[in-house]
Amino acid sequence: DVKVTQSSRYLVKRTGEKVFLECVQDMDHENMFWYRQDPGLGLRLIYFSYDVKMKEKGDIPEGYSVSREKKERFSLILESASTNQTSMYLCASSLWAGGLSNYGYTFGSGTRLTVV
Amino acid sequence: ELKVEQNPLFLSMQEGKNYTIYCNYSTTSDRLYWYRQDPGKSLESLFVLLSNGAVKQEGRLMASLDTKARLSTLHITAAVHDLSATYFCAVDLLGTASKLTFGTGTRLQVTL
Repeated sequence: DVKVTQSSRYLVKRTGEKVFLECVQDMDHENMFWYRQDPGLGLRLIYFSYDVKMKEKGDIPEGYSVSREKKERFSLILESASTNQTSMYLCASSLWAGGLSNYGYTFGSGTRLTVV
Repeated sequence: ELKVEQNPLFLSMQEGKNYTIYCNYSTTSDRLYWYRQDPGKSLESLFVLLSNGAVKQEGRLMASLDTKARLSTLHITAAVHDLSATYFCAVDLLGTASKLTFGTGTRLQVTL
């Protein structure tokens, strides 16, 4: 019954590496989101996408990029990983029903990334 | 800019006691969500509140929404240890689930 899948639960990468975090949803949702979560800072929106090949910057996009080539997949890319990008990364999706939504987000299980 | 504030940020309570978590937000919205997060885990949906006066209950948790006061509450009745988690409220300003704004979370610890 898995609906939003993040490819890795734990990831350790070296400073300067290019890192890909993958998220796949099987609910045919239009909207997809990437957040990072840090102690004391809550959830902060990095990027989101309303449709294939569309992307919008969130509150903290610096150092990140995204790709959405297919509706079900939304990838977060750390171009050159740095230690301050060590965090929990959460992917979420939501349905756009052409008007008001009654369902909110469905979250993936999260990826805990450590950059050393 | 929409601001969502929760209080308290941390709550330690004894089993069997009652308490309320508050979620205040700064701009009119009639769609609010509550999520639960266990340590090291992701967020799972608890309640969906879609109109002024909405009240939802699940077990020992009850959530309500007052859109005029821009306030939602999550009331815990006779707390048990299994309720220990972090609770987030999230406001849907546009009503389309296209961009939720989350509160900072309330970490609840229920002790024996």
